[in-house]
Amino acid sequence: QQQVKQSPQSLIVQKGGISIINCAYENTAFDYFPWYQQFPGKGPALLIAIRPDVSEKKEGRFTISFNKSAKQFSLHIMDSQPGDSATYFCAASKGEAAGNKLTFGGGTRVLVKP
Amino acid sequence: DTGVSQNPRHKITKRGQNVTFRCDPISEHNRLYWYRQTLGQGPEFLTYFQNEAQLEKSRLLSDRFSAERPKGSFSTLEIQRTEQGDSAMYLCASSLAGQGRNEQYFGPGTRLTVT
Repeated sequence: QQQVKQSPQSLIVQKGGISIINCAYENTAFDYFPWYQQFPGKGPALLIAIRPDVSEKKEGRFTISFNKSAKQFSLHIMDSQPGDSATYFCAASKGEAAGNKLTFGGGTRVLVKP
Repeated sequence: DTGVSQNPRHKITKRGQNVTFRCDPISEHNRLYWYRQTLGQGPEFLTYFQNEAQLEKSRLLSDRFSAERPKGSFSTLEIQRTEQGDSAMYLCASSLAGQGRNEQYFGPGTRLTVT
């Protein structure tokens, strides 16, 4: 059972455009939703994270939108740059009592064309 | 460098051999996690420690896998009698539990190839 579903699997965007990646989750016990960026051969790097008590969080060019009732959240990358070309993973965890272990989506490969 | 480090970065081994990986977490972090990532997939949780105690193991972690964190600092992951299906990237992450902090920081991973 895939608890966190991510789409699309890949996307191509022009430099300066907006990249949008969506995730949906099933388990309402999830209470922490991070996004990670991963370059080939490297470990995932934490980008931005949100909790269900807020609907949006922005850090620089990265914004998370969160819809608790729909059990969906998305990452928007504004003014996409070629250096943003990477694989992005959404994730979710249930909180400290459950060990905060992360359940990841399947990933989205983003290619930003110059 | 104060990030999470993992060694070796790459390991090629023959089927049936034993391998051991090491993870050094961020120094003040009390939680340490192991994940496995196969090509084109997201990481999957294997096990985690709080200080030296191993608190949970995924059913992905067969009897051939064992992990330790002897003094609550670095951790090792050993795979005995490796199989081709063990080929993957093994990722370590650490975090500071408590006070509602969830951020996990990953190391660069150890890529295992079983021939």
